[in-house]
Amino acid sequence: AQSVTQPDIHITVSEGASLELRCNYSYGATPYLFWYVQSPGQGLQLLLKYFSGDTLVQGIKGFEAEFKRSQSSFNLRKPSVHWSDAAEYFCAVGTRGGADGLTFGKGTHLIIQP
Amino acid sequence: KAGVTQTPRYLIKTRGQQVTLSCSPISGHRSVSWYQQTPGQGLQFLFEYFSETQRNKGNFPGRFSGRQFSNSRSEMNVSTLELGDSALYLCASSPRQGPPYGYTFGSGTRLTVV
Repeated sequence: AQSVTQPDIHITVSEGASLELRCNYSYGATPYLFWYVQSPGQGLQLLLKYFSGDTLVQGIKGFEAEFKRSQSSFNLRKPSVHWSDAAEYFCAVGTRGGADGLTFGKGTHLIIQP
Repeated sequence: KAGVTQTPRYLIKTRGQQVTLSCSPISGHRSVSWYQQTPGQGLQFLFEYFSETQRNKGNFPGRFSGRQFSNSRSEMNVSTLELGDSALYLCASSPRQGPPYGYTFGSGTRLTVV
């Protein structure tokens, strides 16, 4: 079965600084990878996804992620964060056929310092 | 284009009761998935419906069930509610079955069991 690890439960970043959120997955074949963001009391919004092809994926709100097969990682980055980026971020993996749906990491809570 | 609509937004039920949650997917989307989100267990996959048939199922007891109608709307039912069923229940819609098509989430139904 697949799994996702987000090593950082909380991350604090100053407004305007760069951001990197880590995600490691475990799956035997090529995975389908996603990053979602959740604001308090809200559902999940898709930031970006990777299925195949170019390993650097561009998403919404200025986010990007890089798939590294050798490291089983799919880290999310943003060059300059805004106060509105404060939220919970989830990395997820899906498998061909979707037998187990999406498997999510536990999430990383992003705090933005003024 | 309207997003994924979940009703109701909030529910309070008593232990032992049953509850039905509703999800209307994005127009044209034929797949609906359900997830449970709790602080302790995080986001967990319940089941996925496509063309009125349950295609995939997560590791939840039989008290959790669902169905999908011919217009792709879906309902989820939980019988004999337990305190541990208190959670945010999220619905996700997709054009077709499986992760390659991506998932759009609704804002969720917050269920509190007392």
